[in-house]
Amino acid sequence: EIVMTQSPASLSVSPGERATLSCRASQSVNNNLAWYQQKPGQAPRLLIYYASTRATGIPARFSGGGSGTEFTLTISSLQSEDIAVYYCHQYNYWPQFTFGPGTKVHIK
Amino acid sequence: EVQLVESGGGLVQPGGSLRLSCVASGFTVSDNYMTWVRQAPGKGLEWVSIIYTGGNTYYADSVQGRFTISRDNSKNTLYLQMNSVRVEDTAVYYCARTEYSTSSGAFDIWGQGATVTVSS
Repeated sequence: EIVMTQSPASLSVSPGERATLSCRASQSVNNNLAWYQQKPGQAPRLLIYYASTRATGIPARFSGGGSGTEFTLTISSLQSEDIAVYYCHQYNYWPQFTFGPGTKVHIK
Repeated sequence: EVQLVESGGGLVQPGGSLRLSCVASGFTVSDNYMTWVRQAPGKGLEWVSIIYTGGNTYYADSVQGRFTISRDNSKNTLYLQMNSVRVEDTAVYYCARTEYSTSSGAFDIWGQGATVTVSS
């Protein structure tokens, strides 16, 4: 099983500042990596796929990078509506999909 | 509008059974890979099961032999039959479309979730 880890577990960022979230895979997942945003009481929402492609309707302040085993999600200018938990997800090894444990983003 | 709507959640005793439904609109279930993902209270996301367009089905080890994923093409509906449930199956269960043509496997459409509580 591919193990996904995320760091930090929690992140406090001032409004307008940059937030950088990391995700690591226990072995290469190529660029078959997605990021999701989950707000309290809501279903997850797809933000990024193929490690760096924004999903439909996702603001440009969200960007993804990396390949292989190391990935990042960057929120260039944090807005209050970005408060959420962010999960990475590898889909390279069908059908055994795995998620990271999540990073919770707070407003400082 | 493209959406998924789950139903069928509730309280069930350990060892009991429950069937979750997920009705799709705006797209055809049988033309897509469809997935169930669950989230235990206060925890992260866990992939549960997938049904391929061709009908092949796969399960996480934690539910293998107890849960069955299926679909009814005439109703454009996905199901998850949960048998021999355990306390640790308590979670919100989400159905999701596994988008292949554009992303090769990201989960692009999610339902609102169905809450399953296993308790005596």
